[in-house]
Amino acid sequence: SYELTQAPSVSVSPGQTARITCSGEALPKQYVYWYQQKSGQAPMLLIYKDTERPSGIPERFSGSSSGTTVTLTISGVQAEDEAVYHCQSSDSSGSYGVFGGGTKLTVL
Amino acid sequence: EVHLVESGGGLVKPGGSLRLSCTASGFTFSTSSMSWVRQAPGKGLEWVSSITSTSSYIYYADSVKGRFTISRDNAKSSLYLQMNSLRAEDTAVYYCARVKWELALDSWGQGTLVTVSS
Repeated sequence: SYELTQAPSVSVSPGQTARITCSGEALPKQYVYWYQQKSGQAPMLLIYKDTERPSGIPERFSGSSSGTTVTLTISGVQAEDEAVYHCQSSDSSGSYGVFGGGTKLTVL
Repeated sequence: EVHLVESGGGLVKPGGSLRLSCTASGFTFSTSSMSWVRQAPGKGLEWVSSITSTSSYIYYADSVKGRFTISRDNAKSSLYLQMNSLRAEDTAVYYCARVKWELALDSWGQGTLVTVSS
């Protein structure tokens, strides 16, 4: 079955830039979506269609794509950004959803 | 404001059944595709199933295919997940979510916990 690969954890100091990657062989053909999930809460959509931000999402969250890897960049990381970040896409048919394993962002 | 409320979770024995419901408000449910996503304790998210607005297209993860059935009642703004032949590995918080911008899950419920244990 199709899989998306994320690093388990990333750590940054406040004010620095965090980059969280997601890899998958179908990513050149399928969009990626990013979610933030804080402890005990439901996930929240951060980025859709690789690079678009829903209204209300701060500009410090951005997405980019290059080949089989997509990246969520958080500029000027704040303590409140500490959370698990999940990427989501679909298989090559575009019909079946798949999530990465999630990346825990720790703000030092 | 979009509001999704799941219900129907609980403790069930292996091999048993449960029916989850998700009641929607604050948007036009009948024109929205919907999905179920689950999260086992301490684990990542797992896409379970999706259904288009008129139920024309339905998709399931391999892990639940043949055991789970997604459905909807647009007149009641409700989404359902019938879960049969439950296994211990189905233990998870189950979220319903609205689908927007192709596959983005832009609104989520608070989740309902399903525990499969003898």
